[in-house]
Amino acid sequence: QKEVEQNSGPLSVPEGAIASLNCTYSDRGSQSFFWYRQYSGKSPELIMFIYSNGDKEDGRFTAQLNKASQYVSLLIRDSQPSDSATYLCAVKRNRDDKIIFGKGTRLHILP
Amino acid sequence: DTGVSQDPRHKITKRGQNVTFRCDPISEHNRLYWYRQTLGQGPEFLTYFQNEAQLEKSRLLSDRFSAERPKGSFSTLEIQRTEQGDSAMYLCASSLGGTMNTEAFFGQGTRLTVV
Repeated sequence: QKEVEQNSGPLSVPEGAIASLNCTYSDRGSQSFFWYRQYSGKSPELIMFIYSNGDKEDGRFTAQLNKASQYVSLLIRDSQPSDSATYLCAVKRNRDDKIIFGKGTRLHILP
Repeated sequence: DTGVSQDPRHKITKRGQNVTFRCDPISEHNRLYWYRQTLGQGPEFLTYFQNEAQLEKSRLLSDRFSAERPKGSFSTLEIQRTEQGDSAMYLCASSLGGTMNTEAFFGQGTRLTVV
C-alpha cells in the first residue's frame, strides 16, 4: 500500500460546481496534512493545510480531515477554469517530519 | 526573503556527464527536502536535511546521487554519470523542523534533460 493515495483522474467538473478531491494515507501517526496545487510545468504551490479533525475553510477551499478513517479531502466551491490543475495531497509524518506526496489528481473545470 | 530559490531552472546535459543543482531555502527554515518529479507523477522523495545533517536518503536513489548542505543553509544535489532516466524536474522545499505543524514551501524546480 502506498503511503499517500489519490485518484489520478482526470476529474471533470462544470464551472461553478463543487470539486471534491480525496486522499487516503497509511501512517496513522501522521499529524499534518497539506494540499498543493500544481499547474503544468510549474512547481507545487501550497493552498491549504489542516492539522485537526474536522473542516477548515479558506475562501472557496475547504479541507476536511478524518484521522480515524485516515482520510483527507479538499472541496473547491464555485469552481473556476483557473482551478484546472493537478492537486497534490501531502502528509507529514510526525515521527520524522518526512513529507510524502500522493501522485496527484488532475482537475479539469469545464467552462 | 524571496522564498526558496533553485538554480539553474533548466539544464540540458549529455548522458554520462555530471550535473549539480543548488537550492537556497527560506532563511529561517532548518529542514530542506529534495524531490524528483516526472510527468504525471507526484513528487518523489529523494532526501532531506535538518540543518547540515542528512536525515535520510531514499533507497530508490543510486550511488550516483549525492546531496550536501554544508553549512546548514544552501544545499546541492549532484548526479554523476547522468542517464536518460534521470530526466525529470528536481524540486527543493524547505520548512521549519522541530515543530509539528509547519508546511513546506517549494522552489521553482530545476528541469533536467539528459540527451
